[in-house]
Amino acid sequence: SYELTQPLSVSVALGQTARITCGGNNIGSKNVHWYQQKPGQAPVLVIYRDSNRPSGIPERFSGSNSGNTATLTISRAQAGDEADYYCQVWDSSTAGVVFGGGTKLTVL
Amino acid sequence: QVQLVESGGGLVKPGGSLRLSCAASGFTFSDYYMSWIRQAPGKGLEWVSYISSSGSTIYYADSVKGRFTISRDNAKNSLYLQMNSLRAEDTAVYYCARWLEVVGATWFDPWGQGTLVTVSS
Repeated sequence: SYELTQPLSVSVALGQTARITCGGNNIGSKNVHWYQQKPGQAPVLVIYRDSNRPSGIPERFSGSNSGNTATLTISRAQAGDEADYYCQVWDSSTAGVVFGGGTKLTVL
Repeated sequence: QVQLVESGGGLVKPGGSLRLSCAASGFTFSDYYMSWIRQAPGKGLEWVSYISSSGSTIYYADSVKGRFTISRDNAKNSLYLQMNSLRAEDTAVYYCARWLEVVGATWFDPWGQGTLVTVSS
């Protein structure tokens, strides 16, 4: 089955740029989606199909995907961006959904 | 606005059963695939099951296959998850989510607030 690998944690200074990676075999050939989950809350979609932002998501959130790594980039990080972030793909070989293990973002 | 509200969670003994419900509003429920996703305490997200808009196509994760049954009632704008033979490892917050897709891509938006299922003696 397909696997997605994320770092357990990423730290970023307030106002700087955070990059959260999601690794997978030839993930660049897949569509990657990203969710933000704050403590005690449900996940919220922040990026879909590699680089598209849903309405209401700040332009500070962007995504890219190439080769074996997809990346969620958060510019001008704010304290309110502290959350767990999950990447997700569709695995056509198993007709199933795959989530990465999640990355905890800390804003210092 | 688009809203999903889960209910039906609670404490159940190992081997027991529980039925979760998800009430949808703010969109044409019968036009969309729907899904259940769960999250064990302190753990990551795990996809559980999805159902097509008509209910004719259903898939399950291997971890729940044969024990869980997803269904929907489009007249009532509701999604269900019947959970039988529950195990301790099924303890989780269960989210319902609207399934969005284009060819080759599937994602979830929005998600409900979740309902907690605890399997313990």
